[in-house]
Amino acid sequence: EAGVTQFPSHSVIEKGQTVTLRCDPISGHDNLYWYRRVMGKEIKFLLHFVKESKQDESGMPNNRFLAERTGGTYSTLKVQPAELEDSGVYFCASRQTGGSYGYTFGSGTRLTVV
Amino acid sequence: KNEVEQSPQNLTAQEGEFITINCSYSVGISALHWLQQHPGGGIVSLFMLSSGKKKHGRLIATINIQEKHSSLHITASHPRDSAVYICAVNGWGDYGGSQGNLIFGKGTKLSVKP
Repeated sequence: EAGVTQFPSHSVIEKGQTVTLRCDPISGHDNLYWYRRVMGKEIKFLLHFVKESKQDESGMPNNRFLAERTGGTYSTLKVQPAELEDSGVYFCASRQTGGSYGYTFGSGTRLTVV
Repeated sequence: KNEVEQSPQNLTAQEGEFITINCSYSVGISALHWLQQHPGGGIVSLFMLSSGKKKHGRLIATINIQEKHSSLHITASHPRDSAVYICAVNGWGDYGGSQGNLIFGKGTKLSVKP
């Protein structure tokens, strides 16, 4: 079974540019989550999709962040325009529905805004 | 104060030593997770607990719901165990938002010397 795939693995962009991160969850996992770790801090929740619907986007920092999951398969997270404080590692995870299922994480995308 | 606190933040051990990492949380939870992240790598789920104790190879995880505390033990530690170990919880009710997202501790960086 393929795991959760994220790309790019690294991205360096200038302040003001746009970056799009992609996450391919495990096939059949309805739940998809985005998380972010800013240097020196704990990983923080960004948002949660159930299939193509946003279940909870309470962790999204501001309206420069836009997440989509068209068709309930892969998801994209776009940052536009990027700011210096957006730098960090963005993780995606997927999970089957049901309380007994654990999370499978991707390897993360390290975003550096200069 | 973070809702999930881990100790110690950093831990250095000699190969073969018994290791304990602690996690305390202040919110009601439906499950607690222990995760592992190797340098430059993705996050791997080690355990998901809601009560009692689980064992996998040299790793043991315990949870005390009444005391809101969990421990991760590594027996006969090995240099390949060197990684960041992260405790995360699924909140319950109001604490958990969508009840699917995770609240993370800052992690414990473990280094096992040969």
